[in-house]
Amino acid sequence: DAGITQSPRYKITETGRQVTLMCHQTWSHSYMFWYRQDLGHGLRLIYYSAAADITDKGEVPDGYVVSRSKTENFPLTLESATRSQTSVYFCAINRGPSYEQYFGPGTRLTVT
Amino acid sequence: AQTVTQSQPEMSVQEAETVTLSCTYDTSESDYYLFWYKQPPSRQMILVIRQEAYKQQNATENRFSVNFQKAAKSFSLKISDSQLGDAAMYFCAYRSPLTSYNTDKLIFGTGTRLQVFP
Repeated sequence: DAGITQSPRYKITETGRQVTLMCHQTWSHSYMFWYRQDLGHGLRLIYYSAAADITDKGEVPDGYVVSRSKTENFPLTLESATRSQTSVYFCAINRGPSYEQYFGPGTRLTVT
Repeated sequence: AQTVTQSQPEMSVQEAETVTLSCTYDTSESDYYLFWYKQPPSRQMILVIRQEAYKQQNATENRFSVNFQKAAKSFSLKISDSQLGDAAMYFCAYRSPLTSYNTDKLIFGTGTRLQVFP
């Protein structure tokens, strides 16, 4: 959906480095989410945010940090990247009559 | 805790034929939402269809329909007149009712890869 952008789309980094994945929405929806997608696991929730300055852990938060100073942005930071964090990362927001989630295009992150 | 199970890692179908993808879930809640998402090779997650548990009528979106069996906790996706563009990964997802604390979290199954042959 054009209303949710993620950057970068591809990233290769080395073990131990800090990396930040960006998520931006053109709307002003309150809830934003970060998922990781791994083979055999589907999508798993890392962190989510109910509003600016309100964040909470999901299923797999270890090794990640989030912030949300502005409603439209929700960056995800890997403080010290590990190979196990090689994955595809999706940002999502809630919209629609059933508050279904709409996803950004994803970021493929490789940690070497 | 709620869980979602997709027991078919891969499925295949001939073009123009019909295929059904299975999904079962476990929950103690009586009102909830279920979704099917499609993920083509582009990696974009696309919402295919939604079902509110309080509605008895099965949801339909063009060639996509669901068979929602609440008592059996089953939520299968039927794709009619399959097209080459239907080839993708399909994910089933569960969401708690709007009155629940965990209302905004989706729980996903592990996905079913659908191949469509000409």
